[in-house]
Amino acid sequence: GENVEQHPSTLSVQEGDSAVIKCTYSDSASNYFPWYKQELGKGPQLIIDIRSNVGEKKDQRIAVTLNKTAKHFSLHITETQPEDSAVYFCAASTSYGKLTFGQGTILTVHP
Amino acid sequence: GAVVSQHPSWVICKSGTSVKIECRSLDFQATTMFWYRQFPKQSLMLMATSNEGSKATYEQGVEKDKFLINHASLTLSTLTVTSAHPEDSSFYICSACPTSGGASEQFFGPGTRLTVL
Repeated sequence: GENVEQHPSTLSVQEGDSAVIKCTYSDSASNYFPWYKQELGKGPQLIIDIRSNVGEKKDQRIAVTLNKTAKHFSLHITETQPEDSAVYFCAASTSYGKLTFGQGTILTVHP
Repeated sequence: GAVVSQHPSWVICKSGTSVKIECRSLDFQATTMFWYRQFPKQSLMLMATSNEGSKATYEQGVEKDKFLINHASLTLSTLTVTSAHPEDSSFYICSACPTSGGASEQFFGPGTRLTVL
């Protein structure tokens, strides 16, 4: 089955800096790669996603890049703000729909 | 749009009792819903896939007789933890796939915190 590895496990940045979180996946059939933000005690919230027919997608301060050949994808957050502090999860899925999650990254943005 | 609710948001029960958790898609229909379990400081682990009108598909290692799933309508799936024990204490999260959307897009509920004493 699919295996998703996520790094780093923790990330600490100063407000205004950029943050990058990287994930690799194992199943070449995976074609959907969402990123979720989870705040303490809450369910995951979809922040951006990308499908395998696209190499990059951007939504304001958030961007995701996908390298299908290398089987890795990354989340980029620019101009970070304290409210960006949360746990971020990457995931991978095939058309069937089952998501396999990465281990999560605790992002802390210091004012 | 794409709002998923869960009820209750938290529950405390005694060991040996059963607990039912509801997952509803409020503004869309969902042929498929998923149930996840998340232990503290860990990732989400898929427990089962719930399809409307058919039996749920359980992941390896998840006891189907302990975690009963019913998906009776396109907007409601329920998870019943039977004969709960302290080791079942966890954060249970559901997700729903819009029937009209892509096969993979999932929207998550706010989660249910279960504590078994």
